[in-house]
Amino acid sequence: GAGVSQSPSNKVTEKGKDVELRCDPISGHTALYWYRQSLGQGLEFLIYFQGNSAPDKSGLPSDRFSAERTGGSVSTLTIQRTQQEDSAVYLCASSLSGLAGDTQYFGPGTRLTVL
Amino acid sequence: GQQVMQIPQYQHVQEGEDFTTYCNSSTTLSNIQWYKQRPGGHPVFLIQLVKSGEVKKQKRLTFQFGEAKKNSSLHITATQTTDVGTYFCACSMNSGYALNFGKGTSLLVTP
Repeated sequence: GAGVSQSPSNKVTEKGKDVELRCDPISGHTALYWYRQSLGQGLEFLIYFQGNSAPDKSGLPSDRFSAERTGGSVSTLTIQRTQQEDSAVYLCASSLSGLAGDTQYFGPGTRLTVL
Repeated sequence: GQQVMQIPQYQHVQEGEDFTTYCNSSTTLSNIQWYKQRPGGHPVFLIQLVKSGEVKKQKRLTFQFGEAKKNSSLHITATQTTDVGTYFCACSMNSGYALNFGKGTSLLVTP
């Protein structure tokens, strides 16, 4: 079956511009996560959605970052006024139930480069 | 929140040699997960350990969870070039659901 998909796969933007990154989770998965991976680094948690509950935004690095999940499915991560330090691979993952320890399935990521 | 530290950061072995990566926490973990990320790829789930002292095997891979549930290890016997990649351990954050990832161990296997 289809896995997690993300678009675009690559995004190059100029400093100060806004970008939108899209994630399509696995059908039927109630939980969706966004992570960021900088070059050669581990994964940094950004935000978590679970069903209709309020999202856990505790990992967002600044108020320039926001995310929404429409209809409990597709999610969009928006970065406003991008900075060079925002350059990273943005990974989306989904899991069936969102319970602690639930297996997370990752998408291929969006590589963001801010010039 | 709960954090995990991984060592070593890098490991370079000859094909056929064994490899071990360690994951340590200062606090007791409810569970530990291991992921593999191939170069240019995304993390792929390998296994989850939940019980104290648990040992699980997947072919040449052996995963252990410490008795105190504060450390874990991944051991690969007789490495192959297909084992190349970065191995991450991850634990559930205090919020319960998202994962705190270690910084990973990058394995390079030369023929």
